[in-house]
Amino acid sequence: GAGVSQSPSNKVTEKGKDVELRCDPISGHTALYWYRQSLGQGLEFLIYFQGNSAPDKSGLPSDRFSAERTGGSVSTLTIQRTQQEDSAVYLCASSLPGTSGRGTDTQYFGPGTRLTVL
Amino acid sequence: GQQVMQIPQYQHVQEGEDFTTYCNSSTTLSNIQWYKQRPGGHPVFLIQLVKSGEVKKQKRLTFQFGEAKKNSSLHITATQTTDVGTYFCAGRGWSSNYKLTFGKGTLLTVNP
Repeated sequence: GAGVSQSPSNKVTEKGKDVELRCDPISGHTALYWYRQSLGQGLEFLIYFQGNSAPDKSGLPSDRFSAERTGGSVSTLTIQRTQQEDSAVYLCASSLPGTSGRGTDTQYFGPGTRLTVL
Repeated sequence: GQQVMQIPQYQHVQEGEDFTTYCNSSTTLSNIQWYKQRPGGHPVFLIQLVKSGEVKKQKRLTFQFGEAKKNSSLHITATQTTDVGTYFCAGRGWSSNYKLTFGKGTLLTVNP
């Protein structure tokens, strides 16, 4: 079946411009995550959506970052007034909700969007 | 907050040699997952460990979860060139049933 898809695959923008990154999760996956991966670094948690619950935005690095998820499916990550330090690969992952208690969900990652801010 | 440290950062081996990466959490974990990311690719789930002292094997890969559920390791026996990539551990704490904290990964390169 189809996996997680992200668009665009690459985005080059000028400092100060706004960008929108899109994520299409696996059908039926109610949980959706956004991560940021800088060169040679691990994955930095940004935001988590689960069904109709309020999202966990605790990982967003500044108020220039926002995300929404419409209809419990597609998600958009928006970065306003981009800065050079925003350059990174932005990864989206989706999963089934964890079982009651301690969450046993596997996260399925999309191919990522490589953002370059000039 | 919860931190997950992973060592070594890089490891270069000759094909056929063994490889181990270690993961250490600042807090006790409810479970830990391992992912592999090929160069230019995205992370792919390998395994999840839940129980204290758990050991799981996948062909040449052996995963361990420490007795205190604060550390974990991945051991690859007789590496092959197909093993090249970055291996990440990701720990889930008790305060959240969804948030994973990723280590920075170990980049494995294999010389044929």
